[in-house]
Amino acid sequence: SQQGEEDPQALSIQEGENATMNCSYKTSINNLQWYRQNSGRGLVHLILIRSNEREKHSGRLRVTLDTSKKSSSLLITASRAADTASYFCAYRTSYGKLTFGQGTILTVHP
Amino acid sequence: GAGVSQSPSNKVTEKGKDVELRCDPISGHTALYWYRQSLGQGLEFLIYFQGNSAPDKSGLPSDRFSAERTGGSVSTLTIQRTQQEDSAVYLCASSPNRVWREGSYNEQFFGPGTRLTVL
Repeated sequence: SQQGEEDPQALSIQEGENATMNCSYKTSINNLQWYRQNSGRGLVHLILIRSNEREKHSGRLRVTLDTSKKSSSLLITASRAADTASYFCAYRTSYGKLTFGQGTILTVHP
Repeated sequence: GAGVSQSPSNKVTEKGKDVELRCDPISGHTALYWYRQSLGQGLEFLIYFQGNSAPDKSGLPSDRFSAERTGGSVSTLTIQRTQQEDSAVYLCASSPNRVWREGSYNEQFFGPGTRLTVL
């Protein structure tokens, strides 16, 4: 079973709006990653934030990490219909295996 | 270059049959992971290979599940006597890391998955 939780479970917005997804986890981590999944198939790595970082940017993505609260957020600015997908946070444990959150289903309406 | 490939993309089988799922990792990637994604359990780790050995099999749900990797490349996940609860998308990922160290990072590249439906 998963060790992370994400909210909201589903998010529906209009193009141009910002989308914020949150993730909480239960253990100490060295880094936290965010992945995107289209149509329930392969995952694509979006961004990684290390435990000594508080915020990181990549294009329209902004990730924050609060290790004291064991939480992270992913912000997608100026969303597009093509951003419609499921988004998962994940962290590495022994042997590098990933533990995933439950995911947020994002729908961006044109 | 080629990414991680998986076959078949879809598999429908009858309860009690055995199935084999294949993963072709990115050439040169020594680490290979299998995950399962189902409605009830989300994304779960199954097994990890470093080369041809599997130091972590802790995610395999029962002894009906097994996996092997040959030549440090292709991996096969076998499910014997399939049950309806085995229905899920099975994802494979590969990574270039040779030795996992605390705090190290090597990105995992995922294949498109195999959707298994057990009737």
